[in-house]
Amino acid sequence: DTAVSQTPKYLVTQMGNDKSIKCEQNLGHDTMYWYKQDSKKFLKIMFSYNNKELIINETVPNRFSPKSPDKAHLNLHINSLELGDSAVYFCASSQTNRGGNLKFSPLHFGNGTRLTVT
Amino acid sequence: GQQLNQSPQSMFIQEGEDVSMNCTSSSIFNTWLWYKQDPGEGPVLLIALYKAGELTSNGRLTAQFGITRKDSFLNISASIPSDVGIYFCAGNAGGTSYGKLTFGQGTILTVHP
Repeated sequence: DTAVSQTPKYLVTQMGNDKSIKCEQNLGHDTMYWYKQDSKKFLKIMFSYNNKELIINETVPNRFSPKSPDKAHLNLHINSLELGDSAVYFCASSQTNRGGNLKFSPLHFGNGTRLTVT
Repeated sequence: GQQLNQSPQSMFIQEGEDVSMNCTSSSIFNTWLWYKQDPGEGPVLLIALYKAGELTSNGRLTAQFGITRKDSFLNISASIPSDVGIYFCAGNAGGTSYGKLTFGQGTILTVHP
């Protein structure tokens, strides 16, 4: 199936641990994102990568380190987890249109990883 | 930074009723999108709007891009139980924002059979 897939779907861990979330898209897109959804369902961008290059970093603590081995994958590693990191993390992808009157390409989202830090 | 105010925060309606929700922004957007999120899943695109004044339909859904480029609304006609979920507006400012979307706070829709 063509999709944005992320693993794991659920992640429960203790404070201070280090964990990773993986994301893969087979839509042929060149841009991938990490969004965080808090307990009030608010969605906020964390990072954006275009062709493996970091484009957007929205003042996220440096405990969060994204890594893009190729344009189809964007992983998120989190060091020294804190209680406030508990949230649902969504990976997304899109195809960037550059210049001219090309339309903005909407984001396609994965189904999320629910991270619970105890 | 850019902010989107989405209203209402929640709606409880009877099956068959029409629904309307809207978003307003403190700044101009070049693109407005409407997404729906079901429990345990990611947001799914419903409608994309690219021009001020544009009115676009997708089945029972209709959305409009406000002329000022600072607002958008979504209407759902003849609601059915599967319309239940969280609806989000989102805007993109264009330029070199590389797909950065600013989201509204969401509207939680409950439909009673």
